[in-house]
Amino acid sequence: QKEVEQNSGPLSVPEGAIASLNCTYSDRGSQSFFWYRQYSGKSPELIMSIYSNGDKEDGRLTAQLNKASQYVSLLIRDSQPSDSATYLCAVDFGNEKLTFGTGTRLTIIP
Amino acid sequence: GAVVSQHPSWVICKSGTSVKIECRSLDFQATTMFWYRQFPKQSLMLMATSNEGSKATYEQGVEKDKFLINHASLTLSTLTVTSAHPEDSSFYICSARAGTSGTDTQYFGPGTRLTVL
Repeated sequence: QKEVEQNSGPLSVPEGAIASLNCTYSDRGSQSFFWYRQYSGKSPELIMSIYSNGDKEDGRLTAQLNKASQYVSLLIRDSQPSDSATYLCAVDFGNEKLTFGTGTRLTIIP
Repeated sequence: GAVVSQHPSWVICKSGTSVKIECRSLDFQATTMFWYRQFPKQSLMLMATSNEGSKATYEQGVEKDKFLINHASLTLSTLTVTSAHPEDSSFYICSARAGTSGTDTQYFGPGTRLTVL
């Protein structure tokens, strides 16, 4: 069974702090990992993709991938109220489609 | 770039009727399109994968005779919910991908909210 697990939250973080979102997956052979942001009532928006072990930075976002431990994380620095959303982790298990986690609801407190 | 549109954005229909939802890739050719369903406070559930010119591949538990998918061109896929019932009320979201590899990015449409009375 191919599974992606996330803590559903809610995760509350003060404005300006670092928000840390975690995701684990079941298949060590997975190659492609994605983070999507979904605002309430809207469809998901891709914010980060990562394929190799290590860190990938894009603006205030950093994705971290550790294939040996089967986890991928997303750090949001200098959190803003506009970052409040549900963050979905998605993994391609080599079957050319994405399996999504249940999402973590993040609230940034002004 | 990479814009995907859906139409309609919301629809209300009576039980027993059929509803068609369109998904279009506006600025790229989508070799593969996906249809998802999302119930409130739940994650996305993949319903089916469609490749242009071929039959859709449905996920386990999704009735292919109820959810008809047509991917007639590289920019258009349609989902028809036949004989809709209240339990079919959900947020239906399509996504489109230019390539066939899992490393290729999926771009999501804005979604269609279906309410069946």
